Amino acid sequence: KAGVTQTPRYLIKTRGQQVTLSCSPISGHRSVSWYQQTPGQGLQFLFEYFSETQRNKGNFPGRFSGRQFSNSRSEMNVSTLELGDSALYLCASSLVSGSGYEQYFGPGTRLTVT
Amino acid sequence: DQQVKQNSPSLSVQEGRISILNCDYTNSMFDYFLWYKKYPAEGPTFLISISSIKDKNEDGRFTVFLNKSAKHLSLHIVPSQPGDSAVYFCAARPLGNQFYFGTGTSLTVIP
Repeated sequence: KAGVTQTPRYLIKTRGQQVTLSCSPISGHRSVSWYQQTPGQGLQFLFEYFSETQRNKGNFPGRFSGRQFSNSRSEMNVSTLELGDSALYLCASSLVSGSGYEQYFGPGTRLTVT
Repeated sequence: DQQVKQNSPSLSVQEGRISILNCDYTNSMFDYFLWYKKYPAEGPTFLISISSIKDKNEDGRFTVFLNKSAKHLSLHIVPSQPGDSAVYFCAARPLGNQFYFGTGTSLTVIP
């Protein structure tokens, strides 16, 4: 079974631009979460989608938005980029099964804002 | 408010011995607890989880223990191997809510 895939893997943008990141979850996983990882702040939760609905949202400004499609693929958009948005953006897909809760991360998209 | 805490930033263990990584939490409503391993410049790798209705879960060399009265979670790795050297994160979530992550413990397994 394929893992979580994220595209693109690397991005360089300039301040003020916008960016869209994509995530394809593991087949059968309907929940997708997005996280921002920085050296100083660690792993910060952005939002979670389940069956095309945003289920939870972290404390990020409205410039950060997301959506989920009917095939469970998800996109994250950041508008009006700021230097502080430079980070590794991680997508995770999850499933509750008889074995318990499982959440798997993708390799991330490294965003650099200049 | 740090709901999930890993108070030991680092841990060194001899190869073949047991590694014990600890995690404390504040919210008694957490229903699932997860452990991850992370190498530099990579995303976290899921290791093992436990639900709040259990007190132990095993998967190969990894065992997670949950002490609800103490609000304490631990991950045991036996035997420890050099390839286990990484940063380990615990995470927990209140029912239906987002996961909260600890700040990580860097494990070094000495050959």
